[in-house]
Amino acid sequence: ILNVEQSPQSLHVQEGDSTNFTCSFPSSNFYALHWYRWETAKSPEALFVMTLNGDEKKKGRISATLNTKEGYSYLYIKGSQPEDSATYLCARGANMLTFGGGTRLMVKP
Amino acid sequence: DAGVTQSPTHLIKTRGQQVTLRCSPKSGHDTVSWYQQALGQGPQFIFQYYEEEERQRGNFPDRFSGHQFPNYSSELNVNALLLGDSALYLCASSLEWVRGTDTQYFGPGTRLTVL
Repeated sequence: ILNVEQSPQSLHVQEGDSTNFTCSFPSSNFYALHWYRWETAKSPEALFVMTLNGDEKKKGRISATLNTKEGYSYLYIKGSQPEDSATYLCARGANMLTFGGGTRLMVKP
Repeated sequence: DAGVTQSPTHLIKTRGQQVTLRCSPKSGHDTVSWYQQALGQGPQFIFQYYEEEERQRGNFPDRFSGHQFPNYSSELNVNALLLGDSALYLCASSLEWVRGTDTQYFGPGTRLTVL
């Protein structure tokens, strides 16, 4: 992997469903992995910064895991709500962040 | 506590013109980064300022320049605008450039349209 890649590009789920997305990144020279939530017409909101292999972070119904050896991170949302609808971005790096293209999540009531 | 603010919100320019975008960091933050987000892509790093100096630069031409003031606010200047410069420009602030892994807090962006 040369760049930061996110999958899927978009996701439609029903309210109450649990969901997860993937961020893949080059595993060499790793410093940190950032997750952001970006709602339309708002500022990107920082969710997590993870630096250590095996890190797990949680914020309410959202959690993330990190595997620096194989170069991936998962973001999980438990019991999706319509207000979770947003684009979720991951970024690799220190100071200079390299972003993936994002996963657009739409939660239907 | 005000977050990161950017001005203006929207801007329309014509090819060849010059533009200046402004950013005020979150209170207490001393490091400012600029990103460009083209339609359908993730944000791309332009450069980062700390102690009024450009510390890191992404793959952008010299037409993109910046400045940081003693109060930590920052400007992004783009000269000789091209149609391809149309994008959302995001500013982010953080603490302690030296540590490098601190959270970057983003502003709402300036939407630049070049006609």
